[in-house]
Amino acid sequence: GAVVSQHPSWVICKSGTSVKIECRSLDFQATTMFWYRQFPKQSLMLMATSNEGSKATYEQGVEKDKFLINHASLTLSTLTVTSAHPEDSSFYICSAHRLAGAYEQYFGPGTRLTVT
Amino acid sequence: RKEVEQDPGPFNVPEGATVAFNCTYSNSASQSFFWYRQDCRKEPKLLMSVYSSGNEDGRFTAQLNRASQYISLLIRDSKLSDSATYLCVVNMDTGKLIFGQGTTLQVKP
Repeated sequence: GAVVSQHPSWVICKSGTSVKIECRSLDFQATTMFWYRQFPKQSLMLMATSNEGSKATYEQGVEKDKFLINHASLTLSTLTVTSAHPEDSSFYICSAHRLAGAYEQYFGPGTRLTVT
Repeated sequence: RKEVEQDPGPFNVPEGATVAFNCTYSNSASQSFFWYRQDCRKEPKLLMSVYSSGNEDGRFTAQLNRASQYISLLIRDSKLSDSATYLCVVNMDTGKLIFGQGTTLQVKP
């Protein structure tokens, strides 16, 4: 089956630093990838849609200059959290959109970010 | 109003029980529907797609009522391993998934 990987699986960083998270589709090409964030006891919230070769589309309330998304190839999208603050601590999950009938999406295992 | 609404629970049931989860969605343009399962501190995993005709996968039955904008999931003969959070998910025609807040199920021996 389709597999999506994320790296790193967890990261601890200091306030003010930047963190890059990678999302890879391992056995299929993904023209579209999605980035979600999940705070404790809450559901996944879509942050942005990452389109290969073009600018990402951000959801309302998500700062594009703070959460930089790059989708340079059909198998890789990256999310960079710039100038991280403790309130950015969350579970970040990517998914890759595979056009197979019912718009099935495959989720990466997530990256747990802790900003101290 | 939230785009996808679920009763957050928790639902505490004994092993062997039958339990039903409900979900409503607000956007009539929604294209496709899913139930995902999420274990603690893990990513969501697709449980099943939901069709108007209803579909069954072993102990799990999902149903969609487009007129009422209502989705359900029925779990029969609950197992301890069914304990998880169940997410109702609606897909828009852009491929964008909208998640409900999830319903927590705890199956007890």
